[in-house]
Formats: sequence, structure tokens, C-alpha cells
Amino acid sequence: DTGVSQDPRHKITKRGQNVTFRCDPISEHNRLYWYRQTLGQGPEFLTYFQNEAQLEKSRLLSDRFSAERPKGSFSTLEIQRTEQGDSAMYLCASSLALGISYNEQFFGPGTRLTVL
Amino acid sequence: GDSVTQMEGPVTLSEEAFLTINCTYTATGYPSLFWYVQYPGEGLQLLLKATKADDKGSNKGFEATYRKETTSFHLEKGSVQVSDSAVYFCALTTNAGGTSYGKLTFGQGTILTVHP
Repeated sequence: DTGVSQDPRHKITKRGQNVTFRCDPISEHNRLYWYRQTLGQGPEFLTYFQNEAQLEKSRLLSDRFSAERPKGSFSTLEIQRTEQGDSAMYLCASSLALGISYNEQFFGPGTRLTVL
Repeated sequence: GDSVTQMEGPVTLSEEAFLTINCTYTATGYPSLFWYVQYPGEGLQLLLKATKADDKGSNKGFEATYRKETTSFHLEKGSVQVSDSAVYFCALTTNAGGTSYGKLTFGQGTILTVHP
């Protein structure tokens, strides 16, 4: 099975530390999305890439957050100076976008971040 | 902006009972509508979708009809099973401004528990 994979699956860190998450999309997919899901809520959009270009960022993505997709394949999401409010599940999804029609997003298992 | 509202949960049913989970939305542009499911310990999976008014999405015995006049996309199943126990999310994406479909906007989720 070559679905979307995320690493690590769990991360515990202390407040003020930096963390980085990785997402590997389905190999032929040109779009990659990051979402954040807090307990009892639905996922909230953070940002997305088409190939290596970051096309949209949510206002939720503060200056402490940065995402990259340097070669249009895997992506990283870094959080600097973590805060307890950053504790959440970080989800990655990918899709094959052709033209303007919608293409299904396939989700990874997520990275659960706990900030102590 | 876009938003999705799901009925308050959780929902607890006996096996073979009828299920309805309500979902209403507000959107700019013309939305496509989705139901995603998250089984315990697993990632989000697309359950069904509808891309234009009056379309009915269906999968695994679940159905939802895109009602533009009431801005609703209620999920139904005639006879639930224990294996349907999961969290269900209503979601939408739009091509507002003529841009291609991208990010998903999710509702808060509804926890369904089915007892034997």
C-alpha cells in the first residue's frame, strides 16, 4: 500500500522547542495539504502546495509555522517555539489535481503533537 | 467565509436502527460536498460525495443528497451495524472566484456508536 505516510506518528515536546513533521504523499499526486485537528473538532486547513509552490496559507498559520515542499514530493511542517496551544493532530493529505475539477484528497494517519 | 455545521453529538444507536446525521453549510462559489469517516485508530477516509445540486452520493449503504435550496447534505443509512461506529465529518470545497477546488472545510464531527 503506497498511501500517504507521516512521520513521526507521535511527538512529545516541551514548550519552546522546535518540532518538524514530514509527509510523503502518494507518488503521482501534485497537491499536498496540511490540516490541524484538535480534540472534538474537525480538521482545519493550514496550507497547501501544488508541486513545490505554496498556493494558499490559512491565517491559522502563524509566523512560528513554516511549511516546505522543496522538490514537489515530500513536505515538512516546522513549528518553532512551540506553545501548549499547538497540541493537536497534524494531518497531511494529497491529491492529483487536473484542471479545475475536484480530485479526492487522501489523508495520512496524522502526527499527534503534545506540548508539555 | 465557508462553514459547515453538523448536528450535535454523540449519537448512540442499536444495530439495525435508522441513522440520520444532519449537515448544513454556507459557501461562496459553488461547493462540492463530502462525508468523511474516521474509524478508531485510522485516518480520514472519503465515504461519499456530491458535486452538484440534487446529486445523491452513496457508498456502503450510506446516502446523502445535495440540497441547494436548504443548503444541506444530511447523511442517512437505513440499518446501521456495529462496524459503522466511527466519527463522521461533513465537508465542502469550492471553486470561488473561478480558482480550482482546493482546501476542505470540515464540520466538527459526529461520533456514532452502534450497540449490538
